[in-house]
Amino acid sequence: GAGVSQTPSNKVTEKGKYVELRCDPISGHTALYWYRQSLGQGPEFLIYFQGTGAADDSGLPNDRFFAVRPEGSVSTLKIQRTERGDSAVYLCASSPGTQETQYFGPGTRLLVL
Amino acid sequence: AQKITQTQPGMFVQEKEAVTLDCTYDTSDPSYGLFWYKQPSSGEMIFLIYQGSYDQQNATEGRYSLNFQKARKSANLVISASQLGDSAMYFCAMRESTTGGGNKLTFGTGTQLKVEL
Repeated sequence: GAGVSQTPSNKVTEKGKYVELRCDPISGHTALYWYRQSLGQGPEFLIYFQGTGAADDSGLPNDRFFAVRPEGSVSTLKIQRTERGDSAVYLCASSPGTQETQYFGPGTRLLVL
Repeated sequence: AQKITQTQPGMFVQEKEAVTLDCTYDTSDPSYGLFWYKQPSSGEMIFLIYQGSYDQQNATEGRYSLNFQKARKSANLVISASQLGDSAMYFCAMRESTTGGGNKLTFGTGTQLKVEL
């Protein structure tokens, strides 16, 4: 079956612009996670959805970051007023339930100039 | 807070040989899970193997096995019969419970493995 997909695969934007990153989880997976991976580091947790609601957003670095999952499937990570420090790979993962293995998408490489 | 330590930034192994990638962890949670993921240059994180803290036996998945030593808080990944396609970054991760009943992963800094002919 299809895995987790993320679009776009690459995004280049200018400082101060708004960006949206999309994640399409594995069909039937109720849990969805966003992580951010900076160069040379492991991924860091941003936010977790169970169904439509954000059950834990403690990893979001500040209020410029926001994510939604309105129908309990596709999720969008939104970054306002982008800064150069936001440049990273944004990874999405999904799992069948909350305590099960997370399966990752290919990531979106964001570059803020 | 949980912590994962991977002390080997890079490793080399000859094709067909076995290699061990080190991982130590720190947690006060009595129930936890440990994962290994492979990240090739394409960037996707590929799940390899899982070990639960209460599992009596070490996990195995094909050529991958996890050497779980609970008292030492280590969860080393052993890859047997290395192949050129095993060249990638390898991450150890620990499951940490979140508010709302989920589980977020805390990752180490990774080990870059290079398999040579």
